[in-house]
This record gives sequence, structure tokens and C-alpha cells, in this order.
Amino acid sequence: DIQMTQSPSSLSASVGDRVSITCRASQDIGKSVAWYQQRPGKAPRLLFFAASRLESGVPSRFSGSGSGTDYTLTISGLQPEDFATYYCQQYYTIPQTFGLGTKVEIK
Amino acid sequence: QLQLQESGPGLVKPSETLSLSCTVSGASISSNNDYWGWIRQSPGKGLEWIGSFHYSGSTYTRPSLKSRVTMSGDTSRNQISLKLTSVTAADTAVYYCARQRNLPGGYFDLWGRGTLVSVSS
Repeated sequence: DIQMTQSPSSLSASVGDRVSITCRASQDIGKSVAWYQQRPGKAPRLLFFAASRLESGVPSRFSGSGSGTDYTLTISGLQPEDFATYYCQQYYTIPQTFGLGTKVEIK
Repeated sequence: QLQLQESGPGLVKPSETLSLSCTVSGASISSNNDYWGWIRQSPGKGLEWIGSFHYSGSTYTRPSLKSRVTMSGDTSRNQISLKLTSVTAADTAVYYCARQRNLPGGYFDLWGRGTLVSVSS
């Protein structure tokens, strides 16, 4: 299975900050990466697919980038509703696998 | 508006079979373009893809679970179903159904709310 190593596991930030979360795959996954946001008690919400393609309805303060084995999710100008846990997922091969998540907390 | 809703028993005894349904509204499970996936989330293992089902009967299953998983669909009820046999405490998790995009590996663009299943005697 392809391993997705996500970092950091948690971070503290303030409203308005810019934060970045990275995901490293154990092999080249050719931009077959999705990012999800999960608020407590809720289902994951798709933010990006194909590494950088913004899902409909997702605010433009979110951006995704990367290629090969390294991928980044950036939030520019954190809003109160952005405090949540974020997960990456590779779908290059089966089984599709997820990172362990990054919890974004209020400083 | 597409919605998915999981249902099933919240408690299953060890060695028994976990059976869940996912009712889809706002879209047909027999859409040729859609696969329907099952994902679970436990504190110890994070998010774990279980398998994906197409109404034609085509399925993809996590290799480590393949011997225990059966997925099916009922087009008359617009439901998909998951059966996981011989459960243990390690199968305790929140189980989600979701619509999968891209094949055969895919991402999940719409999720149900999830249902917690505990395995305990």
C-alpha cells in the first residue's frame, strides 16, 4: 500500500493566518491526491482533487499544489470555520489510502 | 440535492456479521458514471477505504478485507449495502458511504453522515 505521511499532526494558528499542511507519498502518485476537511462529528468534505482542482463551493482561500511525492494544502487567511482536521488521500492505486490528519486549532 | 444516509445496528457481537445500508437520494445508484464507496474511521487507524461498488456488480475491495466483505446494490430501493463478516473489536468504527469519482482508484465527493458501529459482546 502507498503510505501518505502528513505533517504536522497538529498546529495552532490565529484567524487571518496562513497555514500549510504537507503530505508525502511513499512513491510517485502522479497528482492523484485529494484533500478533505472534517469538522468534529461531521463527515469529511472534499476540498481538492487532482492535487489542485478546487471542488465546487470551496472558498478560494484554500489552495492545493504539488507533484510526484509531495503535496501541500494551504489556507490563506484562516477563518473561524476553518478550524478542523484535514486529510490527504491518494487514489493513484488501490487501495486508496489516507494520511492520518492534521488538526488545525485556534491559538 | 444528492444525499446519502447510512443505517444499521450500532452494536455487533464479535464473530458476527456487520450489515449496513446506504440510502441514496437525489441520484440513482444505477448511474453508469458513479461508484459508491465505503470508508470507515476509527481512532486507531484513521480513515480506511473498505471497498467500492458499481451497480453493474463491479467491485473493488481493500485486499486485507476482501475475504470478509460483500457489497451489493438494490436499485428498487436506491440503496447500497455492506456486509463484513467475522467482526472483531478492530472493526469498531464510524462507517461512511460516499460517492466515488475516478476509477478504479478514486476520491469521494459526497459523503453520508456516518454510522457508529461498535463490536462488543
